[in-house]
Amino acid sequence: SQQGEEDPQALSIQEGENATMNCSYKTSINNLQWYRQNSGRGLVHLILIRSNEREKHSGRLRVTLDTSKKSSSLLITASRAADTASYFCATVYYGGSQGNLIFGKGTKLSVKP
Amino acid sequence: ETGVTQTPRHLVMGMTNKKSLKCEQHLGHNAMYWYKQSAKKPLELMFVYNFKEQTENNSVPSRFSPECPNSSHLFLHLHTLQPEDSALYLCASSRTSGRSSYNEQFFGPGTRLTVL
Repeated sequence: SQQGEEDPQALSIQEGENATMNCSYKTSINNLQWYRQNSGRGLVHLILIRSNEREKHSGRLRVTLDTSKKSSSLLITASRAADTASYFCATVYYGGSQGNLIFGKGTKLSVKP
Repeated sequence: ETGVTQTPRHLVMGMTNKKSLKCEQHLGHNAMYWYKQSAKKPLELMFVYNFKEQTENNSVPSRFSPECPNSSHLFLHLHTLQPEDSALYLCASSRTSGRSSYNEQFFGPGTRLTVL
């Protein structure tokens, strides 16, 4: 399976702390994306990092990509209670017929006020 | 109205019923997707349509039948479902599908389906 695997499966932190989630994948990719899902809702695209990029920032989000280790991390700085959600990495890999997204199982983040 | 909308938001059906899920995107995209999200499982891609043509059927049972009349609308027709088909069904769209695209996807809120 080429799907990404997030780590940890669940993370509980206090408001104001930083949250780090990791993602590992198995095959060469075109890009890797992070999505957020509030309970029982649709996914929201957060950030896309291409295979030739190593780091990307968007507001309080910082994503890194290490293609040699086939891994990525998502850092949320100064977390807020509203950041409570599930976070998924998704890869677009070479070799698939359509370059479709392959999702991992997600990390459930809980930010306590 | 903007984004991706799905109706109904909740659906309860018996195993002998026939129902349809509807998805509409107002983003001018050409690719649309159906996903199934079950508890404790990764999001499963079911179908992909690119410029109204089905380009992927991810080994989905025939009791699920997609229809894409145009690039803005996508349906999922349901017939003789099983209780294990109960899940959140998500629709998404993107500019295009395929290797040349970066494939950022925009999701609808989902339909929570319960099969009794």
